[in-house]
Amino acid sequence: DADVTQTPRNRITKTGKRIMLECSQTKGHDRMYWYRQDPGLGLRLIYYSFDVKDINKGEISDGYSVSRQAQAKFSLSLESAIPNQTALYFCATSDARGGEQYFGPGTRLTVT
Amino acid sequence: AQRVTQPEKLLSVFKGAPVELKCNYSYSGSPELFWYVQYSRQRLQLLLRHISRESIKGFTADLNKGETSFHLKKPFAQEEDSAMYYCALSPYNTDKLIFGTGTRLQVFP
Repeated sequence: DADVTQTPRNRITKTGKRIMLECSQTKGHDRMYWYRQDPGLGLRLIYYSFDVKDINKGEISDGYSVSRQAQAKFSLSLESAIPNQTALYFCATSDARGGEQYFGPGTRLTVT
Repeated sequence: AQRVTQPEKLLSVFKGAPVELKCNYSYSGSPELFWYVQYSRQRLQLLLRHISRESIKGFTADLNKGETSFHLKKPFAQEEDSAMYYCALSPYNTDKLIFGTGTRLQVFP
């Protein structure tokens, strides 16, 4: 089955460290997204990409960067992690504007 | 500002009772509206979208532009409906989804 995968699934890191979260998809979708989920705040969009040459900031991009290495891969980086970046991070894909988004299983990140 | 409001963090009902999860939105144009659901230990997934006008797992949602609402309803709740429900808005001609803060539905036996 075509899928959206995220690695790692869990990560504990220290303040100031650089960390990369990876997302891969076999759905053949052009659109990819990174969200973070915090209790009581729902999901908030960090970055999104229409293709390898198109990267867009979302609602809360400060402190994050992304790389679209290929149609199937979209990585999220925290250049210098801080404790308030502790959250559940989701990757999603979509094949159409305004269409259904397909979510990965999530990465639980803890910054100590 | 574009916003989705889900006023209830938690909604608890008994099996067989009617359920209504509230969603209000703030958007000046014609939105696309969705309900996503996250069951325990499963991924977030689409439950339904307003343009399809279909019933999924017994749930329906009607867009009320006058009240800017998109409430999710089910006449008889089942225990397997227990999950986190998110209302989401996609502004016209964009690729973004704006999520509400979610409502946890608990259905007791």
